[in-house]
Amino acid sequence: GQQLNQSPQSMFIQEGEDVSMNCTSSSIFNTWLWYKQDPGEGPVLLIALYKAGELTSNGRLTAQFGITRKDSFLNISASIPSDVGIYFCAGQLLANTGNQFYFGTGTSLTVIP
Amino acid sequence: KAGVTQTPRYLIKTRGQQVTLSCSPISGHRSVSWYQQTPGQGLQFLFEYFSETQRNKGNFPGRFSGRQFSNSRSEMNVSTLELGDSALYLCASSLLDSYNSPLHFGNGTRLTVT
Repeated sequence: GQQLNQSPQSMFIQEGEDVSMNCTSSSIFNTWLWYKQDPGEGPVLLIALYKAGELTSNGRLTAQFGITRKDSFLNISASIPSDVGIYFCAGQLLANTGNQFYFGTGTSLTVIP
Repeated sequence: KAGVTQTPRYLIKTRGQQVTLSCSPISGHRSVSWYQQTPGQGLQFLFEYFSETQRNKGNFPGRFSGRQFSNSRSEMNVSTLELGDSALYLCASSLLDSYNSPLHFGNGTRLTVT
């Protein structure tokens, strides 16, 4: 199925630095979601965004639903070693056949202590 | 509340065999989806079930099938396994057919085909 354009593909940063990643699509979505996946585990929902322009925080994480409904970004402030993992964006579309989800290709984050 | 539970966590099979994976969604969730995750292809949608009916299907061969039971638990079956079927298979559930009902994932079943 459709995949979203997520960038960057990977990031190597020093502990304490801020991180920013984003997702874009040619389609409009009802909802944008951000997940984090640790090695050997399933993706865990970090933030859900339901309205265009919405800015939501979860601790050191902040995400925004783009005004055009075709993009979203995720920021992580003051990174720590446990932030290491793969971050996925997802767009949710409510269709006649129920919810449909489209995923980004992931951003691999490495935090250097 | 218990999360999405997948069993088994790990499986090793040989080519030509068949395998069945199990998923118990979060209590009350009626929609169950399955995804295949590989390093090169990312998250690939397999199928989605709602109230025991397959509503959506991804672009996978007929060797991949699934079903959902009346208690919303779901199983996925892969017949005639191929080496390329080695992957992490993720199950996810959601509560409602609404825009504010995100997917919640299990920890997956790691399938290795030798």
